[in-house]
Amino acid sequence: NAGVTQTPKFQVLKTGQSMTLQCAQDMNHNSMYWYRQDPGMGLRLIYYSASEGTTDKGEVPNGYNVSRLNKREFSLRLESAAPSQTSVYFCASSEGTTYSYEQYFGPGTRLTVT
Amino acid sequence: GQSLEQPSEVTAVEGAIVQINCTYQTSGFYGLSWYQQHDGGAPTFLSYNALDGLEETGRFSSFLSRSDSYGYLLLQELQMKDSASYFCAVGGWGGYQKVTFGIGTKLQVIP
Repeated sequence: NAGVTQTPKFQVLKTGQSMTLQCAQDMNHNSMYWYRQDPGMGLRLIYYSASEGTTDKGEVPNGYNVSRLNKREFSLRLESAAPSQTSVYFCASSEGTTYSYEQYFGPGTRLTVT
Repeated sequence: GQSLEQPSEVTAVEGAIVQINCTYQTSGFYGLSWYQQHDGGAPTFLSYNALDGLEETGRFSSFLSRSDSYGYLLLQELQMKDSASYFCAVGGWGGYQKVTFGIGTKLQVIP
């Protein structure tokens, strides 16, 4: 089992460019998440998908869109990148049942916007 | 909304015991979790408390008091590899999947 995989690992964008971060999990989990992590800010939830076919906003959704392509895949899109979106992005998944809180994280994507 | 407070840094000696505290404010409560993150790595799950009391997993224990909106992570027999950041996280507003993380406590273990 690969767990949660993310591509790319590193990316540099110019302001205004767009890109999609890909995430996939092979644990048959129902719920998937996108977080960003900035120094001194901890992890902040951008969007999540409780189950296939549903998505919902988290704490910091502005400037992002998501797609739950199927049960395995959850992508994050930056339509017009801004320097404020320079961050480390983590995808995570969980079983998605009320009594299973453990989230499994991917290795992260380090994004720099110049 | 939700907010969590935890110390930003803690230093402890190898072989000792260290306690990392976390206080939270949340509308609704779906449990307190703890995650470990080494520099440059991804967070990994350590423990979860839904009910008051102590949960033990090897050298790590986690405690919750819902009446005090307080929990802590206890690390015993500290090893150098325990040097990492530790995050508390709470599920609350909007349901159990909307998890809010604290800013993290950077633990440095010294010889």
